[in-house]
Amino acid sequence: LAKITQPISMDSYEGQEVNITCSHNNIATNDYITWYQQFPSQGPRFIIQGYKTKVTNEVASLFIPADRKSSTLSLPRVSLSDTAVYYCLLNNFNKFYFGSGTKLNVKP
Amino acid sequence: DGGITQSPKYLFRKEGQNVTLSCEQNLNHDAMYWYRQDPGQGLRLIYYSQIVNDFQKGDIAEGYSVSREKKESFPLTVTSAQKNPTAFYLCASSFSTDTQYFGPGTRLTVL
Repeated sequence: LAKITQPISMDSYEGQEVNITCSHNNIATNDYITWYQQFPSQGPRFIIQGYKTKVTNEVASLFIPADRKSSTLSLPRVSLSDTAVYYCLLNNFNKFYFGSGTKLNVKP
Repeated sequence: DGGITQSPKYLFRKEGQNVTLSCEQNLNHDAMYWYRQDPGQGLRLIYYSQIVNDFQKGDIAEGYSVSREKKESFPLTVTSAQKNPTAFYLCASSFSTDTQYFGPGTRLTVL
């Protein structure tokens, strides 16, 4: 059973880069790593997905070291609207494990 | 406009009553999922279905039932056997085991 650990909360200021790390020591060979953003009373929104090394899209980057036991979501130049809860998910065929989420608070 | 819809947005139920939450998707996704989220907590998997007429229990299936008669629909029934049903319920869908996309959620309150 995969155990996923994320920091409970993080604070940042507008314009800063934010890095949120997820630990998943028992990640399986076929597990993909996906990150979601959730605002209160809304469904989670897909941010980025990766398997190894680095993935970048228009909103974020995902860094995965060679041993894949952790992953880091990087949000460049955050704004107040990035205040949300960020979830890490491991998914592999018919198994999916969510982390408990990291509440990011962006201050002006 | 493609996507996943859940209805109703808010639902109130008296103790002892069954209630059914709707989830529909027009993304042609094969797999659909139901999650429960309690205040300040993460998501817990209730049931999932990877193909029509087939579904599997998740981590917290007790007190819930589902059906998958059509590819685009995956209704969840919260039965009277569920002791603490007040929660935020989220439906998701995906192509096979690919990225899951979530609906807007239904907030269920037991009076």
